[in-house]
Amino acid sequence: GAVVSQHPSWVICKSGTSVKIECRSLDFQATTMFWYRQFPKQSLMLMATSNEGSKATYEQGVEKDKFLINHASLTLSTLTVTSAHPEDSSFYICSARMGQGRTPLHFGNGTRLTVT
Amino acid sequence: AQSVTQLDSQVPVFEEAPVELRCNYSSSVSVYLFWYVQYPNQGLQLLLKYLSGSTLVKGINGFEAEFNKSQTSFHLRKPSVHISDTAEYFCAVCNAGGTSYGKLTFGQGTILTVHP
Repeated sequence: GAVVSQHPSWVICKSGTSVKIECRSLDFQATTMFWYRQFPKQSLMLMATSNEGSKATYEQGVEKDKFLINHASLTLSTLTVTSAHPEDSSFYICSARMGQGRTPLHFGNGTRLTVT
Repeated sequence: AQSVTQLDSQVPVFEEAPVELRCNYSSSVSVYLFWYVQYPNQGLQLLLKYLSGSTLVKGINGFEAEFNKSQTSFHLRKPSVHISDTAEYFCAVCNAGGTSYGKLTFGQGTILTVHP
């Protein structure tokens, strides 16, 4: 089946540094990718939607200058948390789908970010 | 705006007993409905989804769910659970049609614990 690889699976960084998370579709062309954030003991919240070659669309309340999303190819999207702070510590998950319509959604295994 | 409510945050059950995880949603437009399972520190695995057609949907691992439009519910059921079903379960919705497919609104999650 289709696989989405997310890397790294966990990362610890110091406050003020930037962290890049990669989401790759291994065997299909991901025209659309979604980024979610999951705080401890809470549900997943959609952060942004990215279409290949276009600027990402951010959900209300998500700072686009802090969470930089790049979707430059059909197999790779990246989320960069800039100037990370402890409150950014969370579980970040991407999902991807190919084409238009009701094509299957495939989730990565997530990245646990801890900012100290 | 949409919202999803999972009525039970935790459900303990004995092995081989039946289980129902409840999900209600609110939306001003037609929706698609999904159930996902998440094991610790992992991504999401799709159990089943309702897009159209029969309101009784069968998924993987013996799970099924019934879409009830009048009650705006999509409860997940399994007639006999196994220890390996211990995990967190998420109900999710997205707008039917348009370009919103894949932009999921998740419920708060239900932790299912199966005891021997």
